[in-house]
Amino acid sequence: DVKVTQSSRYLVKRTGEKVFLECVQDMDHENMFWYRQDPGLGLRLIYFSYDVKMKEKGDIPEGYSVSREKKERFSLILESASTNQTSMYLCASSLGGGRRGAFFGQGTRLTVV
Amino acid sequence: GDSVTQMEGPVTLSEEAFLTINCTYTATGYPSLFWYVQYPGEGLQLLLKATKADDKGSNKGFEATYRKETTSFHLEKGSVQVSDSAVYFCAAGGSGANSKLTFGKGITLSVRP
Repeated sequence: DVKVTQSSRYLVKRTGEKVFLECVQDMDHENMFWYRQDPGLGLRLIYFSYDVKMKEKGDIPEGYSVSREKKERFSLILESASTNQTSMYLCASSLGGGRRGAFFGQGTRLTVV
Repeated sequence: GDSVTQMEGPVTLSEEAFLTINCTYTATGYPSLFWYVQYPGEGLQLLLKATKADDKGSNKGFEATYRKETTSFHLEKGSVQVSDSAVYFCAAGGSGANSKLTFGKGITLSVRP
């Protein structure tokens, strides 16, 4: 089975901190994604990557950056955390684009205080 | 860009009731269509998918048919169980290698005994 693992289930950070959310997949997938999930807004794409060191902005990239130094790992970085970034963050990976669907991690619930 | 529209929720049903959750999409080309399910405290799991017109995806008693003429992919189940209580997301996946998944806002289903 494909496994997508996010480093933390729950995280509490202070306003202004730099926050790293880590995601690792074990199936050699080219594409990886970061979404945030908020009530009433569904899933919104923050960034995605279709190859090592490649990244594309999604729908809501402001306040975030990403890093993909190795194929299996995709990191989401909050440069200076703010309370409006309190959310559920979901990482996903896929083989060959959206047409094949994606596999999701268990999610990281981030609270910024 | 692509978009996915789901019916407004939440939905509350009694056990053994019939379920329909509506989903329509707008996309260029011919996307793949998916239903994902999210149980409390977990990430998203693929429930079923269809990759071309008139395909029917099915899993765990749920079904959905890709209707190109009405650009719809409605989810149905003949008899819901309490264990089906979850959030359901409809998604469309583009055809390019670097394409992404576009999600609807999700709908919460609660099934009471």
